[in-house]
Amino acid sequence: EAQVTQNPRYLITVTGKKLTVTCSQNMNHEYMSWYRQDPGLGLRQIYYSMNVEVTDKGDVPEGYKVSRKEKRNFPLILESPSPNQTSLYFCASSLSGTRLFEQETQYFGPGTRLLVL
Amino acid sequence: GQQLNQSPQSMFIQEGEDVSMNCTSSSIFNTWLWYKQDPGEGPVLLIALYKAGELTSNGRLTAQFGITRKDSFLNISASIPSDVGIYFCAGPTSGTYKYIFGTGTRLKVLA
Repeated sequence: EAQVTQNPRYLITVTGKKLTVTCSQNMNHEYMSWYRQDPGLGLRQIYYSMNVEVTDKGDVPEGYKVSRKEKRNFPLILESPSPNQTSLYFCASSLSGTRLFEQETQYFGPGTRLLVL
Repeated sequence: GQQLNQSPQSMFIQEGEDVSMNCTSSSIFNTWLWYKQDPGEGPVLLIALYKAGELTSNGRLTAQFGITRKDSFLNISASIPSDVGIYFCAGPTSGTYKYIFGTGTRLKVLA
């Protein structure tokens, strides 16, 4: 089954304790992306990746890191989480990273709910 | 940065009623996307629009790409309880590979 998976689905942590949220897709997609969703603000893009070893900032990258060492995986790293990073996080992927970008639809994972105390 | 403003923010309607919502931007988009998010799930694409003026349907849903390229509209006809959720407009920003999402319209359907 074609899908985007995220782990963990729920996470409670404390300020300053490094954490990683994993994202994996089995569709051989080139483009992958991370979003956070907060009430009244919709989804805001954190980082995206056009392909392996190619990443770039979205609208709200501060406090986050990503890496794309393999095509299927795109982990989100919070080196020193703070309470304002409490949110619902979504990973997404789409087929093409370049020529057909504007015509490619994104497939979303189930979400990771993070609470930072 | 670019923003997408959706209205209304929320709607309560009776089952069987038609629904209209819109999305506006201060800048031009070349693609408009409409997603629906069910409670506890990730967004799922409903309709994609690629040309100014384009009108596209998906069952009871119809969406239009505004002629100015700065807005889009989504209509749902004869609403049913499973239409409940949050509807987002979205699009790739012109000249970049970033995506922008609207703030969402929360729809509740009363049986």
